[in-house]
Amino acid sequence: GAGVSQTPSNKVTEKGKYVELRCDPISGHTALYWYRQSLGQGPEFLIYFQGTGAADDSGLPNDRFFAVRPEGSVSTLKIQRTERGDSAVYLCASSPVPGTVTYNEQFFGPGTRLTVL
Amino acid sequence: QKEVEQNSGPLSVPEGAIASLNCTYSDRGSQSFFWYRQYSGKSPELIMSIYSNGDKEDGRFTAQLNKASQYVSLLIRDSQPSDSATYLCAVNPNRDDKIIFGKGTRLHILP
Repeated sequence: GAGVSQTPSNKVTEKGKYVELRCDPISGHTALYWYRQSLGQGPEFLIYFQGTGAADDSGLPNDRFFAVRPEGSVSTLKIQRTERGDSAVYLCASSPVPGTVTYNEQFFGPGTRLTVL
Repeated sequence: QKEVEQNSGPLSVPEGAIASLNCTYSDRGSQSFFWYRQYSGKSPELIMSIYSNGDKEDGRFTAQLNKASQYVSLLIRDSQPSDSATYLCAVNPNRDDKIIFGKGTRLHILP
């Protein structure tokens, strides 16, 4: 079966531009997570969706970052007025339906490497 | 602040030996614990999950959890060069919440 997919795999943009990063979770997984990983660090939580709603967006660093999941499947992370400090690998993960034995095991996509020049 | 602490390494282990990776966490109420393997330039791959005190074995991997000491470990038996990677310890404080990751331990298996 298909795993989590993310597009694009690489994105190079200029400071001040707007970018969208897309995540397609594993089929049937209701929970979707966005993380950001800088070199030498572990993934840092950004936002978590349960279905269509953002259950926890406490990790979003500021109001330039926004994410949506309008139909409870594909999610888009949107970054406005990008800054050089936004450069990182953005990871998406999904996990199965709550109530199953292993429902909070998270499975990661390949990531999008964002470079802001 | 909920934290997960790991020694960054590198940890060098001879091929065929046992590699022991350790992790401590600060939130005493944490319930779910995970080990991810991450090869350079790749995304994290889940290799073990553990939810109750004691040992859990899967092939060459054994996860150990001690909630009283807030300590999680991963043992890799018969280490292979392909085990060389960064190992991330992750803790889920609540069953439907985010995962808090450590910075990872770099493991190098010496041929």
